[in-house]
Amino acid sequence: NAGVTQTPKFRVLKTGQSMTLLCAQDMNHEYMYWYRQDPGMGLRLIHYSVGEGTTAKGEVPDGYNVSRLKKQNFLLGLESAAPSQTSVYFCASSHLAGSYNEQFFGPGTRLTVL
Amino acid sequence: AQSVSQHNHHVILSEAASLELGCNYSYGGTVNLFWYVQYPGQHLQLLLKYFSGDPLVKGIKGFEAEFIKSKFSFNLRKPSVQWSDTAEYFCAVTTNRDDKIIFGKGTRLHILP
Repeated sequence: NAGVTQTPKFRVLKTGQSMTLLCAQDMNHEYMYWYRQDPGMGLRLIHYSVGEGTTAKGEVPDGYNVSRLKKQNFLLGLESAAPSQTSVYFCASSHLAGSYNEQFFGPGTRLTVL
Repeated sequence: AQSVSQHNHHVILSEAASLELGCNYSYGGTVNLFWYVQYPGQHLQLLLKYFSGDPLVKGIKGFEAEFIKSKFSFNLRKPSVQWSDTAEYFCAVTTNRDDKIIFGKGTRLHILP
């Protein structure tokens, strides 16, 4: 039981490049989330999904797209990376809506955009 | 909109000192409250959570938190900290309004050996 995994762990991009971050969970959770963590800003929700085939915008969705084609996977895409997207990205999942269940976090992806 | 405030951004304590980290939220309805911990270089892990019942909640590693509804607070406490408690601590809240969890900006705790 691996929990929540993220790939890659580290990535350096040049401005304008694109990439996809993969999040996978093996707990059969319905809800999945993508956050970014920046110093002094806490965690900010980018996008989330309440089930396979569904996605919704969070607090800071601009510049990112997501897809949830399979229940266990939640992909975060950057179409044209910008230096402002340099951050640590965390994926999380939960069984039900956040109100009643804790979120389980992945190990994070450290992204640097030059 | 709901929000979570953590008043202490950076706390430095010596080992064996007592700890209290403040957390206040803004929402008048039913809330569920969480404290997460992030050790250096690691992901967030749940320390403790409050859903209902006894407002004094005990978590892992000797931590506890008290929900005071009248003060909209959920402060984290530990009677005697250890060097291994050095980490960043996040308070978080969910409400019965939506599916999202709102995090505070975090408190970085540094314990001196």
